[in-house]
Parts: sequence; structure tokens; C-alpha cells
Amino acid sequence: LAKTTQPISMDSYEGQEVNITCSHNNIATNDYITWYQQFPSQGPRFIIQGYKTKVTNEVASLFIPADRKSSTLSLPRVSLSDTAVYYCLVVERDDKIIFGKGTRLHILP
Amino acid sequence: NAGVTQTPKFRILKIGQSMTLQCAQDMNHNYMYWYRQDPGMGLKLIYYSVGAGITDKGEVPNGYNVSRSTTEDFPLRLELAAPSQTSVYFCASSLQDRPNQPQHFGDGTRLSIL
Repeated sequence: LAKTTQPISMDSYEGQEVNITCSHNNIATNDYITWYQQFPSQGPRFIIQGYKTKVTNEVASLFIPADRKSSTLSLPRVSLSDTAVYYCLVVERDDKIIFGKGTRLHILP
Repeated sequence: NAGVTQTPKFRILKIGQSMTLQCAQDMNHNYMYWYRQDPGMGLKLIYYSVGAGITDKGEVPNGYNVSRSTTEDFPLRLELAAPSQTSVYFCASSLQDRPNQPQHFGDGTRLSIL
């Protein structure tokens, strides 16, 4: 099975913009890219989803290049409460649903 | 709405015992999923269902069974518990006519096999 690839961990400071990139070389033509956030002892929570170019909502932006082989989650002006694990999710070409291994984001004061 | 409800929240089993993890959703979602998450790791898909009466294997189905007799419920069965099944189990649901629509997760069941 093809897999997604994300950085294992990232550190940033409060007030900074954080960008997390996910590689997904075998994404299917009609599939969307979805990002989730997970706090300790909780289930993942949907953040944002997109198909191409740029999507923005009240908490994040998602940038997807034309070839769609990667995506970048952008968190503007992070705070301590953004410390969490972030996952990107795509559907592989055989329709298996695979989470990336996740990126542990640690926000420092 | 309660969303996705999982019971129990915690359970300790002995090797060889069996149990059923319950999952119910009240959002009339057609898709439901079971994941496991080992400490410090990402989620792995065990089984999923695209509607009542239809189930399919995910990435790690061995040692588990599921059924989907109603739209609302999607129980996960462990027949012969093994230490390797110690994990946190998450149930999720989504409303979609294609994969990868946003999933709604329950709070998880923490299971220890001793």
C-alpha cells in the first residue's frame, strides 16, 4: 500500500505561522485530501479538506499543488492550545483508507 | 445530537477472553469505521462499512469481526483476546456517497489485554 509521509514532529512558538506538509504520491484522481487534529485521549477532529489549489476556513488553510502529490496545512498565529498531532488522510487507489503517521506539533510559549 | 458514542470507555481482558466494543451514531451516517491506535502511533483501519449489511476489511482486520445490522450500530468483536490487541479503539462515521468525506470520531475505548 502506498503511504502518506509527514514530518514526525515540529516545534514552533506562539504567534507564529506553522506549515505542515504531507506527501501522497498515489492519490486517486477523484479523491480529496483531509486533515485532522488529535489531542491526547480524544478521537481525531476534522480540520479542513480540499481537492486542489487553496482552501481556507476559520482555523486553517490548505495548499495543494497542481500535481496533487502533496498538500500543506497552514495554521496562522498558533497558540499553546494548537499543540496536538495532525494527520493527513487520502484514499489510496485501492480504496483503503490510510491515515498518515501524523505530525506532533509542539507550541512553545 | 450525541454524535458517535462508544462503550465501554475502558476495559481489561484476560488472554483468550472475548468481548464486543459497541459503537452507535445518531447522525444517520451511512459509512462507519473502526480504527485502532497503539501508543505513539497513528490510526490503523480495522474494518469499515458503507451501509447496513455491508462490511469490508481495512488494513489490520485479523483477530476482529464486525457486523452492521442497522444504520446506527457497528459493533466490533474480539473473539480470542491477545496481548497484541492492547490498544485504543476509535469508531467513526461519515455521511457520503464517496470515500474521504469528513469522519466524526467517538472518544475511544481503551482496551488492555493481560
